[in-house]
Amino acid sequence: QQQVKQSPQSLIVQKGGISIINCAYENTAFDYFPWYQQFPGKGPALLIAIRPDVSEKKEGRFTISFNKSAKQFSLHIMDSQPGDSATYFCAASSNGGNTPLVFGKGTRLSVIA
Amino acid sequence: NAGVMQNPRHLVRRRGQEARLRCSPMKGHSHVYWYRQLPEEGLKFMVYLQKENIIDESGMPKERFSAEFPKEGPSILRIQQVVRGDSAAYFCASSPFSQGISAKNIQYFGAGTRLSVL
Repeated sequence: QQQVKQSPQSLIVQKGGISIINCAYENTAFDYFPWYQQFPGKGPALLIAIRPDVSEKKEGRFTISFNKSAKQFSLHIMDSQPGDSATYFCAASSNGGNTPLVFGKGTRLSVIA
Repeated sequence: NAGVMQNPRHLVRRRGQEARLRCSPMKGHSHVYWYRQLPEEGLKFMVYLQKENIIDESGMPKERFSAEFPKEGPSILRIQQVVRGDSAAYFCASSPFSQGISAKNIQYFGAGTRLSVL
């Protein structure tokens, strides 16, 4: 049973465009929702995270939108750049983040000039 | 402040051999998680440890796999009698432990160990 569903599997965006990646979760006990960025041959690096007490969080070009009633959250990358080309994973955990992360299957983003 | 250190970065083993993967958490972090990543897949949780204590091993196969995080030294993930299906990237993450709505329980990942079983 996959607890975090992520879409799309792959995404191609023009430079300067907006990249949008969506995730949905099932477990209502989840209360911490991070996004990780992974480049080939590297480990995942935390990009941005949100807790369910807010509906949106913005850090630079990256924004998380969170819909608690729909159990969905999404990552928006504004003004996408070729350097943003990577695999993005959404994840979720409970107990304020003190439990193992449950990851989505990832979205491979390619930003083309 | 060094990040999470994993070694070796690449490990090649023949079927039936043992694989030992090491993880040194970030300074000040008392919790370690191990995840496995298969090609084109997300990371799957294996085991969650605190110093000298396994907190959650629900994601780890019952046979051939074991993990420890001793009082001194790195955390070790041990795979006995490896099979081809064990070929994957194994990632370690560490975090501090705190509670409350503003807790900074970020998991920081190492660069991983890529295990290839011949």
